[in-house]
Amino acid sequence: DIQMTQSPSSLSASVGDRVTITCRAGQSISKYLNWYQQKPGKAPKLLIYDASSLQGGVPSRFSGSGSGTDFTLTISSLHPEDFAAYYCQQSYITPFTFGPGTKVDIK
Amino acid sequence: EVQLMESGGGLVQPGGSLRLSCAVSGFTLVSHAMSWVRQGPGKGLEWVSAISAGGGSTYYADAVKGRFTISRDNSKDTIYLQMNSLRLEDTAVYYCARQPKAYCSAGSCQFDSWGQGTLVTVSS
Repeated sequence: DIQMTQSPSSLSASVGDRVTITCRAGQSISKYLNWYQQKPGKAPKLLIYDASSLQGGVPSRFSGSGSGTDFTLTISSLHPEDFAAYYCQQSYITPFTFGPGTKVDIK
Repeated sequence: EVQLMESGGGLVQPGGSLRLSCAVSGFTLVSHAMSWVRQGPGKGLEWVSAISAGGGSTYYADAVKGRFTISRDNSKDTIYLQMNSLRLEDTAVYYCARQPKAYCSAGSCQFDSWGQGTLVTVSS
């Protein structure tokens, strides 16, 4: 199975801050890395697929980059509704695996 | 509007069985592979199982292989997860999720729409 790691596990930030979350795969997964946002008690929501493609309806302040084993999710200017948990997930091959998550909370 | 609605969760004793359903609307189910993803209390996301659009190909996480069975009835716009020999560690919210292609064992296989989840509690 492909192991996924994320850093940091949590961060505190303020509205307007630029936030970067890193995801690393245990082997090359080409571009097949997806990012999800999850708020408490809610289902996850797809933000970015194939490393850098923005899902329809997702604000342009979210962006993704990377390939191979190292990937990043960037929020260019944090909005109040962005405080949530973020998960990366590889779809290179089954079993699909998720990172442990990064919790973004208010400083 | 794309909608997925899980049902069938509940309290079950260890060793018991449960069948989850996911009824979909707002899109053509026969064009999409589908998956189940679970989240234990206070834990992260874990992919459980996937099924191709026609139902001919199925995939499972090692943790559930041999105990869970995914299936679908496209005429009823519904997918299922039959869970047998349930264990304490199967306690979780179970989500069904849509994938963008008919066959999704690798590649661009993101989960682009999710249901609200159904809670399964395994406890004596």
